[in-house]
Amino acid sequence: DGGITQSPKYLFRKEGQNVTLSCEQNLNHDAMYWYRQDPGQGLRLIYYSQIVNDFQKGDIAEGYSVSREKKESFPLTVTSAQKNPTAFYLCASRGKRGDLGTQYFGPGTRLTVL
Amino acid sequence: GDSVTQMEGPVTLSEEAFLTINCTYTATGYPSLFWYVQYPGEGLQLLLKATKADDKGSNKGFEATYRKETTSFHLEKGSVQVSDSAVYFCALNTNAGKSTFGDGTTLTVKP
Repeated sequence: DGGITQSPKYLFRKEGQNVTLSCEQNLNHDAMYWYRQDPGQGLRLIYYSQIVNDFQKGDIAEGYSVSREKKESFPLTVTSAQKNPTAFYLCASRGKRGDLGTQYFGPGTRLTVL
Repeated sequence: GDSVTQMEGPVTLSEEAFLTINCTYTATGYPSLFWYVQYPGEGLQLLLKATKADDKGSNKGFEATYRKETTSFHLEKGSVQVSDSAVYFCALNTNAGKSTFGDGTTLTVKP
């Protein structure tokens, strides 16, 4: 079955540590996205990538970094510069225009800073 | 820039009640419109979509019609079930490569 996987499901971090969240897709999608979701709030775009080896900042990129070395993978690093990283992180991918822009989401990673 | 405004929640209904969640948008060009659903602790799933004016998207008893004249895409269901309890997001997509999401509306259906 094609889909998007995120790991781990739960992640705990001590203050001052960097952590990396994994996102893998086997849908052969070009575009991938990272969102942050806080309780009772909508999705805020962190970074997105429309092609391998290229990515753009979203609305809240400060304190985060990404890479896109392979089409299938778009890992997100939460750095110590992110002052309030506790949140639910969602990865998504999107197919070509023929799919009308539908985004396919992974199950999410819940990050808690201790 | 593009924006989506959703009806504020939470919304609480009894089983078999009629559901409407309002969504209006602002966008340049001709966006595609979407409703996504999120169950507790999970990612979002596509519920339905529409790509041009007067299109009606439908799935699992839910419907929404793309109204260009009122820039709206309201979600409706004639008879909700307990299993419909979730958070619903309205979203739009333009050719710029990004989607814009509303803040989400939490629906609770009581038996």
